[in-house]
Amino acid sequence: DAGVIQSPRHEVTEMGQEVTLRCKPISGHDYLFWYRQTMMRGLELLIYFNNNVPIDDSGMPEDRFSAKMPNASFSTLKIQPSEPRDSAVYFCATGTSGGRTDTQYFGPGTRLTVL
Amino acid sequence: AQSVSQHNHHVILSEAASLELGCNYSYGGTVNLFWYVQYPGQHLQLLLKYFSGDPLVKGIKGFEAEFIKSKFSFNLRKPSVQWSDTAEYFCAVNAYTGRRALTFGSGTRLQVQP
Repeated sequence: DAGVIQSPRHEVTEMGQEVTLRCKPISGHDYLFWYRQTMMRGLELLIYFNNNVPIDDSGMPEDRFSAKMPNASFSTLKIQPSEPRDSAVYFCATGTSGGRTDTQYFGPGTRLTVL
Repeated sequence: AQSVSQHNHHVILSEAASLELGCNYSYGGTVNLFWYVQYPGQHLQLLLKYFSGDPLVKGIKGFEAEFIKSKFSFNLRKPSVQWSDTAEYFCAVNAYTGRRALTFGSGTRLQVQP
């Protein structure tokens, strides 16, 4: 299994531009999570999906952020317009709903720099 | 709401020293507990997890953790660290409330000196 795949690995953009981050979950995993990691705030959950449906988006910082999961094998996190304070590493993680096993498997992350 | 505290922010050890990293959580009900490791420039990898049963959990690379329910703690231990253990370690909790997201601690940066 290839694990969770994220693209791009690095993104440098200018303030005001639209940024789209992509995630391909592990096959068979029905939960998908988007996290953001910064020095100031650590690892924080942005949103998560179950069976492609958004379950909890309370961590999405503001309307500039949106996430979609059009099918079981693909999700996007979009920032429009981007701002310098959005600079962070964005991780996608996936898991299964088997019993109480809430183990999440993380992707390599996308390091976003907004100038 | 659940929260996780990692009191050691930065730990420096010499090779072969013993390691114990503290983790305390706040939630009175049933929890799932995790330790993840993040090597420099890499993504988070699962080190070990506790769901139920034996409170002493063994993970990869010689790490273990002990769940003490009365103390709301899940401390990570290793009897003898190696230079390759230099990384950031995150404790995480999921309260079994149906909400699947993990709540992470702030992390502990471990630096092992050769």
